[in-house]
Amino acid sequence: SAVISQKPSRDICQRGTSLTIQCQVDSQVTMMFWYRQQPGQSLTLIATANQGSEATYESGFVIDKFPISRPNLTFSTLTVSNMSPEDSSIYLCSVSMDLGGNTIYFGEGSWLTVV
Amino acid sequence: DAKTTQPPSMDCAEGRAANLPCNHSTISGNEYVYWYRQIHSQGPQYIIHGLKNNETNEMASLIITEDRKSSTLILPHATLRDTAVYYCIVSSNTGKLIFGQGTTLQVKP
Repeated sequence: SAVISQKPSRDICQRGTSLTIQCQVDSQVTMMFWYRQQPGQSLTLIATANQGSEATYESGFVIDKFPISRPNLTFSTLTVSNMSPEDSSIYLCSVSMDLGGNTIYFGEGSWLTVV
Repeated sequence: DAKTTQPPSMDCAEGRAANLPCNHSTISGNEYVYWYRQIHSQGPQYIIHGLKNNETNEMASLIITEDRKSSTLILPHATLRDTAVYYCIVSSNTGKLIFGQGTTLQVKP
């Protein structure tokens, strides 16, 4: 299994500011992903964090709004830029140890409230 | 990735088995069936996954039909702490999980 730590776990942010969320895994993983969960909704995949190259974004998400870094096999960051109240969500990191039906684990999430 | 269909909600009596169904009629041959659950304010918790054989672990059993078009998650002895939203997801080897709305399981005393 994998232990995933996300920071911050919770934050209140001012409109127009940006916040970077960190995801640290206790072992090397093949794939890392970022999700968003808006209040009362299910999880939506934002992007795949690729090591050493630009992230792959899902439809409706763009790099200017959600820049992602993945400098190595155990760490990734997601920045939520120029925040508005609509960005108030839980942001979750997930990891896959390997491909081919391997178990995928989630962090506990980062709760952001934009005021 | 194939889509899944789950009932929006179910009730189960404490101590009884909870059987959560999932339809995935368009599943492809290389897609796995995953089950996760999410308890309020926590990250999704992995329960079990399988390709075509039935699977069992310390948390649950996964029964996949022979044609793989549906599956059932079985919690053998539900407790109040099993109250959660349960997600059935089919996914190939990309590691990406596309979440539906899931089934809200309410375990009642």
